Amino acid sequence: DTGVSQDPRHKITKRGQNVTFRCDPISEHNRLYWYRQTLGQGPEFLTYFQNEAQLEKSRLLSDRFSAERPKGSFSTLEIQRTEQGDSAMYLCASSPTGFTEAFFGQGTRLTVV
Amino acid sequence: EDKVVQSPLSLVVHEGDTVTLNCSYEVTNFRSLLWYKQEKKAPTFLFMLTSSGIEKKSGRLSSILDKKELFSILNITATQTGDSAVYLCAFSPSLIQGAQKLVFGQGTRLTINP
Repeated sequence: DTGVSQDPRHKITKRGQNVTFRCDPISEHNRLYWYRQTLGQGPEFLTYFQNEAQLEKSRLLSDRFSAERPKGSFSTLEIQRTEQGDSAMYLCASSPTGFTEAFFGQGTRLTVV
Repeated sequence: EDKVVQSPLSLVVHEGDTVTLNCSYEVTNFRSLLWYKQEKKAPTFLFMLTSSGIEKKSGRLSSILDKKELFSILNITATQTGDSAVYLCAFSPSLIQGAQKLVFGQGTRLTINP
């Protein structure tokens, strides 16, 4: 499968715990995006990388959220001290250089109990 | 604040019907409008529209953009049960070439009954 890959697909965690998600973009894509989607809503932009540089962060991304993309390949999204409001689908997308569409992964569904 | 509004939020039709999904937007910097289909998890790309009045077509699906009136429509003819999904409209506000930070609408949940 050469699409965008996310791991894990599902995560259940207790409130207050830290969680980390991984995204592997399509190999030749230098742009990577994280979105969050809650039930009945469209995805909301969280952050964007071009290669290893994090170029933009949404104000939705509180201090408890951090994202990295070491060496411009895979990316991780960490949520510290999870809250019930963090329960959502976290989607990763990637795109190549140039003005093209973004390709999405299957997402990681987070449930905070 | 940039906003995308889709209508209807939910639509149920019979197989073979034609449907029109609507997307209107209020944005400060418009670059392109995109349509995605979300069946279970990953949104899959349908169309990207940048110019007004030019219809894009793929099989039974077509879409057009009106930049003056700030809306787009997605048409599906001869619907099939496999068209059942959430259809998402999004625009790219970035002026940086290639950036695809997307602002999504709520989506239209389309159900096709046999």
